[in-house]
Amino acid sequence: DAKTTQPPSMDCAEGRAANLPCNHSTISGNEYVYWYRQIHSQGPQYIIHGLKNNETNEMASLIITEDRKSSTLILPHATLRDTAVYYCIVRRVGGGADGLTFGKGTHLIIQP
Amino acid sequence: EAGVTQFPSHSVIEKGQTVTLRCDPISGHDNLYWYRRVMGKEIKFLLHFVKESKQDESGMPNNRFLAERTGGTYSTLKVQPAELEDSGVYFCASSVDRGTEAFFGQGTRLTVV
Repeated sequence: DAKTTQPPSMDCAEGRAANLPCNHSTISGNEYVYWYRQIHSQGPQYIIHGLKNNETNEMASLIITEDRKSSTLILPHATLRDTAVYYCIVRRVGGGADGLTFGKGTHLIIQP
Repeated sequence: EAGVTQFPSHSVIEKGQTVTLRCDPISGHDNLYWYRRVMGKEIKFLLHFVKESKQDESGMPNNRFLAERTGGTYSTLKVQPAELEDSGVYFCASSVDRGTEAFFGQGTRLTVV
């Protein structure tokens, strides 16, 4: 699976939109971009995933650039409970290896 | 609907002992995954079951680790004999299909002393 690069940490004010960037310049055509987060001491939680189109669900929006070499996860109205480590993961679907490759992620801190 | 359940939540054992971790996936989820995070490191994939078959066990660290999923329902991960470096948090996840969202359990914190 392609490698991802994320900033180690970010701050965001409560109520504002949190925009988390991810670079995945070596992504292949059959690889998806997944986002998970881990709130302290809990298991990772799925947020959203996409291939090339922008995606939105009740938790977040995922914006993928046209060349697919980077993406941004947007939490539209961040709350204190969104403080967590956010992982951007590139994953090939349908191949032999199906496990998620977690990197170091971005530690997002929501400030009151 | 019950989520992924892991048991025990914490386990403290002595080096050389055996420990068995259990994971109950979400009902109907054929895909079951084991991951672990050792101190200061990233979460690492261990293995993947599709029903009762091991689809990918490339992440298993060594032959002291044995995972089973008899009947394709719950899974166990046995560590025998446990070593100090096995300490960490072991996560289990399940999904309906490959590539769909995986739901994680709360993890088992294993401490080997």
